[in-house]
Amino acid sequence: ETGVTQSPTHLIKTRGQQVTLRCSSQSGHNTVSWYQQALGQGPQFIFQYYREEENGRGNFPPRFSGLQFPNYSSELNVNALELDDSALYLCASSPAGVSYNEQFFGPGTRLTVL
Amino acid sequence: DQQVKQNSPSLSVQEGRISILNCDYTNSMFDYFLWYKKYPAEGPTFLISISSIKDKNEDGRFTVFLNKSAKHLSLHIVPSQPGDSAVYFCAAREYGNKLVFGAGTILRVKS
Repeated sequence: ETGVTQSPTHLIKTRGQQVTLRCSSQSGHNTVSWYQQALGQGPQFIFQYYREEENGRGNFPPRFSGLQFPNYSSELNVNALELDDSALYLCASSPAGVSYNEQFFGPGTRLTVL
Repeated sequence: DQQVKQNSPSLSVQEGRISILNCDYTNSMFDYFLWYKKYPAEGPTFLISISSIKDKNEDGRFTVFLNKSAKHLSLHIVPSQPGDSAVYFCAAREYGNKLVFGAGTILRVKS
């Protein structure tokens, strides 16, 4: 059984640019959540996708957007990058969209904005 | 406004002794609490959880206690092992399956 994978591992961008991060869910999981983890903090919920529809969003501006594909893989897009967007971006999948006990996390993508 | 707080940034424990990690929360609507462990360069891995209707859940060396009146939960690891050295995150489930995380506690188990 393949776990959650994310690409790329590391990324360096400059302020104002756009970035796309990718996530492949664990087999059989149809729900994907994205989190931002700044240095020294816990992960913060960005949004969740269930069966290709956004299913909840945290306190992040609209320049953070996402997609989920029919195979349940997902993308996180960030436009007009700011320095504060530098963080570890984590993707997590789970087997159901309504009720579950835990989410399974990928290793993350480290984004640095210069 | 932090809804989930882990007030101890780090904890150092001798191998074989008990590790106690604490977590406080403010939102009474949280219905599920989880602990995750994170090693460097890896994503968080699920450790143990507890429903808000229970006060204790045990899984091997790991036990989570929930005190709803105090809005406090703790993770006990007995006995602690060097491989337990990691960052431990407390998380609470909000509506729509959103998880709210604390800032984490670094646990170091000395051999």
